[in-house]
Amino acid sequence: NAGVTQTPKFQVLKTGQSMTLQCAQDMNHNSMYWYRQDPGMGLRLIYYSASEGTTDKGEVPNGYNVSRLNKREFSLRLESAAPSQTSVYFCASSVDGDQPQHFGDGTRLSIL
Amino acid sequence: AQSVTQPDIHITVSEGASLELRCNYSYGATPYLFWYVQSPGQGLQLLLKYFSGDTLVQGIKGFEAEFKRSQSSFNLRKPSVHWSDAAEYFCAVGAQGSNYKLTFGKGTLLTVNP
Repeated sequence: NAGVTQTPKFQVLKTGQSMTLQCAQDMNHNSMYWYRQDPGMGLRLIYYSASEGTTDKGEVPNGYNVSRLNKREFSLRLESAAPSQTSVYFCASSVDGDQPQHFGDGTRLSIL
Repeated sequence: AQSVTQPDIHITVSEGASLELRCNYSYGATPYLFWYVQSPGQGLQLLLKYFSGDTLVQGIKGFEAEFKRSQSSFNLRKPSVHWSDAAEYFCAVGAQGSNYKLTFGKGTLLTVNP
């Protein structure tokens, strides 16, 4: 019963490098989300996918792109990483927009 | 726009003492409200949720929360805290009919003294 799986768990990048964070859920959920968590800031929504084939911007989308590859997988891409994108990234999923979200364990990303 | 305020950044309680974590929200209609807990190095785990109905909701691990519309509050309570409850707690508000854009508070860090 894996739930929401994120890979990698840790990553260090240099400024300007690109990176894709992977997320997969095995709960047959329709909706998936990407958040970033910074100290003292709580979680902020980057992008979400209400259903397979759709994606929408959240509160802080600049510098990121997403792909809903299929119902199970939702990836987050940093095309040209910047130090301001150093953060912990969480993927989440939910049955739909009226149900609670379930979270993965996070990816800790440092950009030097 | 919806918003959430958790007034207490850090709370310390003794094991066995009662606990109340405060959450105030701003939302024009009836909100969906959540409490999540995050242990160090882990993701967020749902403790409880309020969608409608009984304003006192029970959650996992012995937690409960009460929705008070007049005070725009959704405080989390536990009658007797255990050392394993030490973690960070997040309150979140969503829009009824669409929880895609949850708004989270900045969290309350709970320390439990033996």
